[in-house]
Amino acid sequence: QSALTQPASVSGSPGQSITISCTGTSSDVGGYNYVSWYQQHPGKAPTLMIYDVNNRPSGVSYRFSGSKSGNTASLTISGLQAEDEADYYCSSYTSSSTPLYVFGTGTKVTVL
Amino acid sequence: QVQPQQWGAGLLKPSETLSLTCAVQGESFSGYYWSWIRQAPGKGLEWIGEIIHSGGTSQNPSLKSRVTISVDTSKNQFSLKLSSVTAADTAVYYCARHQSGHNTFDIWGQGTMVTVSS
Repeated sequence: QSALTQPASVSGSPGQSITISCTGTSSDVGGYNYVSWYQQHPGKAPTLMIYDVNNRPSGVSYRFSGSKSGNTASLTISGLQAEDEADYYCSSYTSSSTPLYVFGTGTKVTVL
Repeated sequence: QVQPQQWGAGLLKPSETLSLTCAVQGESFSGYYWSWIRQAPGKGLEWIGEIIHSGGTSQNPSLKSRVTISVDTSKNQFSLKLSSVTAADTAVYYCARHQSGHNTFDIWGQGTMVTVSS
Protein backbone atom coordinates (compact mmCIF):
# COMPACT_ATOMS: atom_id res chain seq x y z
CA GLN A 1 0.00 0.00 0.00
CA SER A 2 1.59 3.27 -1.12
CA ALA A 3 1.55 6.42 0.94
CA LEU A 4 -0.85 9.17 -0.03
CA THR A 5 0.81 11.92 -2.07
CA GLN A 6 1.25 15.40 -0.62
CA PRO A 7 3.37 18.34 -1.78
CA ALA A 8 6.66 18.48 0.10
CA SER A 9 6.23 22.11 1.06
CA VAL A 10 3.75 24.96 1.00
CA SER A 11 4.37 28.50 2.16
CA GLY A 12 2.40 31.65 2.73
CA SER A 13 2.52 35.01 4.42
CA PRO A 14 0.67 35.77 7.64
CA GLY A 15 -3.01 36.31 7.00
CA GLN A 16 -3.02 34.46 3.71
CA SER A 17 -4.75 31.17 2.96
CA ILE A 18 -2.95 28.04 1.85
CA THR A 19 -4.18 24.66 0.67
CA ILE A 20 -2.47 21.29 1.01
CA SER A 21 -3.51 18.45 -1.26
CA CYS A 22 -3.57 14.74 -0.49
CA THR A 23 -3.96 12.38 -3.43
CA GLY A 24 -4.84 8.72 -3.11
CA THR A 25 -6.96 6.21 -4.97
CA SER A 26 -10.52 4.98 -5.12
CA SER A 27 -9.56 2.39 -2.49
CA ASP A 28 -8.77 4.99 0.12
CA VAL A 29 -9.35 8.74 -0.22
CA GLY A 30 -11.84 8.43 -3.04
CA GLY A 31 -13.73 5.53 -1.58
CA TYR A 32 -14.45 6.70 1.95
CA ASN A 33 -15.11 9.89 3.86
CA TYR A 34 -12.49 8.87 6.40
CA VAL A 35 -9.79 11.42 5.62
CA SER A 36 -8.00 12.98 8.58
CA TRP A 37 -5.37 15.67 8.88
CA TYR A 38 -2.69 15.94 11.55
CA GLN A 39 -0.42 18.81 12.55
CA GLN A 40 3.04 18.02 13.89
CA HIS A 41 5.43 20.53 15.38
CA PRO A 42 9.13 19.58 15.59
CA GLY A 43 9.79 17.02 18.27
CA LYS A 44 6.13 16.67 19.15
CA ALA A 45 3.45 14.05 18.59
CA PRO A 46 0.90 14.65 15.83
CA THR A 47 -2.32 16.44 16.74
CA LEU A 48 -5.64 15.71 15.03
CA MET A 49 -6.93 18.76 13.15
CA ILE A 50 -9.60 17.37 10.81
CA TYR A 51 -11.48 14.06 10.66
CA ASP A 52 -14.13 12.64 8.35
CA VAL A 53 -12.88 14.96 5.58
CA ASN A 54 -14.22 18.19 7.03
CA ASN A 55 -14.92 17.91 10.77
CA ARG A 56 -12.90 19.75 13.40
CA PRO A 57 -12.34 18.27 16.85
CA SER A 58 -13.23 20.46 19.77
CA GLY A 59 -10.56 23.08 20.33
CA VAL A 60 -9.25 23.23 16.77
CA SER A 61 -9.40 26.66 15.18
CA TYR A 62 -12.09 27.40 12.60
CA ARG A 63 -9.23 28.55 10.36
CA PHE A 64 -8.63 24.90 9.51
CA SER A 65 -11.01 23.30 7.04
CA GLY A 66 -11.07 20.19 4.90
CA SER A 67 -12.64 19.05 1.67
CA LYS A 68 -12.48 16.25 -0.87
CA SER A 69 -13.02 15.84 -4.58
CA GLY A 70 -12.61 12.43 -6.13
CA ASN A 71 -9.35 10.85 -5.01
CA THR A 72 -7.90 14.11 -3.67
CA ALA A 73 -8.50 15.63 -0.26
CA SER A 74 -7.44 19.12 0.75
CA LEU A 75 -6.66 21.00 3.94
CA THR A 76 -7.04 24.77 3.88
CA ILE A 77 -5.56 27.03 6.50
CA SER A 78 -7.02 30.52 6.37
CA GLY A 79 -5.62 33.57 8.11
CA LEU A 80 -2.21 31.93 8.32
CA GLN A 81 -0.41 32.50 11.61
CA ALA A 82 3.16 31.91 12.71
CA GLU A 83 2.02 29.07 14.99
CA ASP A 84 0.69 27.20 11.96
CA GLU A 85 4.24 26.52 10.79
CA ALA A 86 4.53 22.75 11.13
CA ASP A 87 4.37 19.49 9.22
CA TYR A 88 0.94 18.29 8.13
CA TYR A 89 -0.06 14.72 7.33
CA CYS A 90 -3.24 13.35 5.83
CA SER A 91 -4.46 9.85 6.47
CA SER A 92 -7.22 7.63 5.16
CA TYR A 93 -8.86 4.33 5.80
CA THR A 94 -8.15 1.89 3.00
CA SER A 95 -9.95 -1.19 1.80
CA SER A 96 -7.32 -2.36 -0.65
CA SER A 97 -5.83 -4.59 2.02
CA THR A 98 -4.24 -4.16 5.36
CA PRO A 99 -2.68 -1.92 6.48
CA LEU A 100 -6.01 -0.48 7.28
CA TYR A 101 -4.75 3.06 7.44
CA VAL A 102 -2.37 4.93 5.20
CA PHE A 103 -0.71 8.27 5.78
CA GLY A 104 0.38 10.98 3.42
CA THR A 105 3.99 11.81 2.63
CA GLY A 106 3.75 14.99 4.68
CA THR A 107 3.85 18.70 3.88
CA LYS A 108 6.05 21.30 5.54
CA VAL A 109 4.14 24.56 5.95
CA THR A 110 6.31 27.64 6.21
CA VAL A 111 4.98 31.01 7.31
CA LEU A 112 7.03 33.64 5.52
CA GLN B 1 -8.04 14.98 28.28
CA VAL B 2 -6.69 11.45 28.15
CA GLN B 3 -2.93 11.37 27.78
CA PRO B 4 -1.43 7.93 27.13
CA GLN B 5 1.91 7.31 28.76
CA GLN B 6 4.37 5.14 26.90
CA TRP B 7 7.75 3.72 27.73
CA GLY B 8 10.35 1.19 26.62
CA ALA B 9 13.99 0.64 25.77
CA GLY B 10 15.44 3.34 23.56
CA LEU B 11 18.61 1.68 22.30
CA LEU B 12 18.74 -1.77 20.73
CA LYS B 13 21.27 -3.84 18.83
CA PRO B 14 20.40 -5.46 15.49
CA SER B 15 18.43 -8.72 15.89
CA GLU B 16 17.10 -7.77 19.32
CA THR B 17 13.43 -7.36 20.14
CA LEU B 18 11.85 -3.93 20.55
CA SER B 19 9.43 -3.74 23.46
CA LEU B 20 7.15 -0.78 24.22
CA THR B 21 4.18 -0.32 26.52
CA CYS B 22 1.40 2.28 26.52
CA ALA B 23 -0.79 2.94 29.56
CA VAL B 24 -4.16 4.66 29.42
CA GLN B 25 -6.01 5.96 32.45
CA GLY B 26 -9.51 4.99 33.45
CA GLU B 27 -12.53 4.34 31.31
CA SER B 28 -10.90 5.80 28.23
CA PHE B 29 -9.28 2.43 27.50
CA SER B 30 -12.15 0.01 26.99
CA GLY B 31 -14.18 0.18 23.84
CA TYR B 32 -11.45 1.67 21.71
CA TYR B 33 -8.88 0.34 19.30
CA TRP B 34 -5.33 1.33 20.21
CA SER B 35 -2.65 1.60 17.58
CA TRP B 36 1.10 1.76 17.28
CA ILE B 37 2.44 4.17 14.68
CA ARG B 38 6.06 4.96 13.93
CA GLN B 39 8.02 7.71 12.25
CA ALA B 40 11.57 7.22 11.01
CA PRO B 41 13.85 10.28 11.34
CA GLY B 42 12.82 12.89 8.82
CA LYS B 43 10.15 10.61 7.38
CA GLY B 44 6.40 10.21 7.43
CA LEU B 45 4.08 8.17 9.60
CA GLU B 46 3.61 4.42 9.29
CA TRP B 47 0.80 2.44 10.90
CA ILE B 48 2.13 -0.68 12.59
CA GLY B 49 -0.97 -2.31 13.99
CA GLU B 50 -3.78 -2.09 16.51
CA ILE B 51 -5.54 -3.93 19.30
CA ILE B 52 -8.85 -3.67 21.12
CA HIS B 53 -9.37 -4.45 24.80
CA SER B 54 -10.87 -7.85 23.91
CA GLY B 55 -7.57 -8.79 22.30
CA GLY B 56 -8.43 -8.60 18.60
CA THR B 57 -5.55 -7.29 16.51
CA SER B 58 -4.61 -6.14 13.02
CA GLN B 59 -1.11 -5.52 11.71
CA ASN B 60 0.59 -3.89 8.76
CA PRO B 61 1.46 -6.75 6.37
CA SER B 62 4.93 -5.33 5.85
CA LEU B 63 5.70 -5.91 9.54
CA LYS B 64 3.25 -8.63 10.48
CA SER B 65 5.73 -11.47 10.73
CA ARG B 66 7.73 -9.54 13.34
CA VAL B 67 4.96 -7.74 15.24
CA THR B 68 3.15 -8.83 18.37
CA ILE B 69 0.61 -6.52 19.98
CA SER B 70 -0.91 -7.55 23.29
CA VAL B 71 -3.18 -6.06 25.94
CA ASP B 72 -3.36 -6.16 29.72
CA THR B 73 -6.86 -5.01 30.58
CA SER B 74 -6.21 -5.22 34.33
CA LYS B 75 -3.68 -2.42 33.95
CA ASN B 76 -5.26 -0.58 31.00
CA GLN B 77 -2.07 -1.15 29.07
CA PHE B 78 -1.12 -2.49 25.67
CA SER B 79 2.27 -3.43 24.33
CA LEU B 80 4.26 -3.74 21.14
CA LYS B 81 7.00 -6.23 20.42
CA LEU B 82 8.96 -6.05 17.19
CA SER B 83 11.45 -8.85 16.70
CA SER B 84 14.70 -9.03 14.76
CA VAL B 85 15.12 -5.28 14.54
CA THR B 86 17.47 -3.62 12.07
CA ALA B 87 18.61 -0.04 11.54
CA ALA B 88 15.51 0.44 9.37
CA ASP B 89 13.39 0.12 12.51
CA THR B 90 14.98 3.22 14.03
CA ALA B 91 12.10 5.58 14.60
CA VAL B 92 9.89 7.40 17.06
CA TYR B 93 7.13 5.04 18.07
CA TYR B 94 3.74 6.43 19.10
CA CYS B 95 0.74 4.82 20.68
CA ALA B 96 -2.55 6.38 19.60
CA ARG B 97 -6.26 5.94 20.18
CA HIS B 98 -8.28 5.01 17.14
CA GLN B 99 -11.83 6.31 16.92
CA SER B 100 -13.36 3.44 14.97
CA GLY B 101 -16.50 5.33 14.03
CA HIS B 102 -14.39 7.93 12.27
CA ASN B 103 -11.28 5.92 11.45
CA THR B 104 -9.08 8.60 12.91
CA PHE B 105 -6.39 8.80 15.58
CA ASP B 106 -7.56 11.37 18.07
CA ILE B 107 -5.20 10.96 21.01
CA TRP B 108 -1.48 10.28 20.80
CA GLY B 109 1.19 9.31 23.28
CA GLN B 110 4.28 11.42 23.66
CA GLY B 111 6.40 9.12 21.51
CA THR B 112 9.44 6.96 22.27
CA MET B 113 12.62 7.24 20.22
CA VAL B 114 14.06 3.81 19.48
CA THR B 115 17.51 3.58 17.93
CA VAL B 116 18.91 0.36 16.50
CA SER B 117 22.67 0.41 16.31
CA SER B 118 25.52 -2.02 16.73
